[in-house]
Amino acid sequence: DIVLTQSPDTLSLSPGERATLSCRASQSISGSFLAWYQHKPGQTPRLLIYGASNRATGIPDRFSGSGSGTDFTLTIGRLEPEDFAVYYCHHYGSPPFTFGQGTRLAIK
Amino acid sequence: QVSLQESGPRLVKPSETLSLTCIVSGGSITSYWWSWIRQPAGQGLEWIGRIYSTGNTNYNPSLKSRVTMSVDTSKDQISLKLSAVTAADTAVYYCARGGGVHHYWGQGTLVTVSS
Repeated sequence: DIVLTQSPDTLSLSPGERATLSCRASQSISGSFLAWYQHKPGQTPRLLIYGASNRATGIPDRFSGSGSGTDFTLTIGRLEPEDFAVYYCHHYGSPPFTFGQGTRLAIK
Repeated sequence: QVSLQESGPRLVKPSETLSLTCIVSGGSITSYWWSWIRQPAGQGLEWIGRIYSTGNTNYNPSLKSRVTMSVDTSKDQISLKLSAVTAADTAVYYCARGGGVHHYWGQGTLVTVSS
């Protein structure tokens, strides 16, 4: 099974700053089948990025994804107050699929 | 607009079987994968498995011996059964459309395992 390790566990930043979240896979993810989700308490997870770098419908362009193989990055260009949440990476190349443990993006 | 709604008992006794249903509206259930994902309190998301509209399944190996998913295209619903539950199975359970890329999610339902 592919293990996804996200770093850091918690990232404390201020609105307007740039956020860089990392996701490292224990083995290469074929086809860049890697997605990113945003999850706020009491809400449904929200798809941000799929295929490592494709923004989902309606996602602002301050969110961008990059990477391939075993190293992937989610970048949030300028943080808005509504961006503070937990972010998960998720591989879906071949089952079993797994999620990273999450990165909590907190207001500094 | 596609909408998913989970339903089922909110409280299950240890060693019994957890049963949830996800009703899909606003779109066809056919020709899609449908997934179940859970989140224990204070923890991250866990992939339980997925089922295609024809019935093909893939399960998380750690749950495989206890999980059964099914699909009823006539009722536009998918189902999850998890047997021999313990307190560790207490979680918010989500259904979602897609085998890996989930644009649509149910609101989630909290299932508590307790006597």
